[in-house]
Amino acid sequence: NFMLTQPHSVSESPGKTVTISCTRSSGSIASNYVQWYQQRPGSSPTTVIYEDNQRPSGVPDRFSGSIDSSSNSASLTISGLKTEDEADYYCQSYDSSTDVVFGGGTKLTVL
Amino acid sequence: QVQLQESGPGLVKPSETLSLTCTVSGGSISSYYWSWIRQPAGKGLEWIGRIYTSGSTNYNPSLKSRVTMSVDTSKNQFSLKLSSVTAADTAVYYCARDLGGYSYGAECWGQGTLVTVSS
Repeated sequence: NFMLTQPHSVSESPGKTVTISCTRSSGSIASNYVQWYQQRPGSSPTTVIYEDNQRPSGVPDRFSGSIDSSSNSASLTISGLKTEDEADYYCQSYDSSTDVVFGGGTKLTVL
Repeated sequence: QVQLQESGPGLVKPSETLSLTCTVSGGSISSYYWSWIRQPAGKGLEWIGRIYTSGSTNYNPSLKSRVTMSVDTSKNQFSLKLSSVTAADTAVYYCARDLGGYSYGAECWGQGTLVTVSS
């Protein structure tokens, strides 16, 4: 079994860049793909990154994903922040025993 | 573009069975994996399980003893049953279409439906 740990909250100013981390507790972060979901207040989640670094059509290229094996973590980076990016962000991955696991979520505030 | 819509009772009594259906429109339900995910108010997401259109299922180990999923390809629907519910099962329940392959993630989501467990 493994867990994905995210910071509870992050904040940054419009136009800046923010990075949200997602650390895997056991097993390699590279062993299974990581997805990232955006959930605006009162709405259902939407997928902003899949398979570590792929953007679904319609997601702006301000959103990017990466993994770092040295820290066993994944990151979601949002550049050129807009007020509309204010939302909760969840990472998600998998292993064969636990199956799908979500991180606890990070609340992004765009000041 | 595929759309998903959850439906079912918004109120379920403790110890009874929660039953939800997800209707898929704008595309065929065939040849995809479909998942249920829930979110208690103010909390994070919890994966409940997935079903393939063949009927093959995988469930969250923590819920496995109480979960049953089924699919009706003729109606383009799949369903969730969660038995012996308690207040801890109160949540917004989402259905989703999986990315497929080795992604094990959700590609698109329904709008969600709130289920409250209370007598």
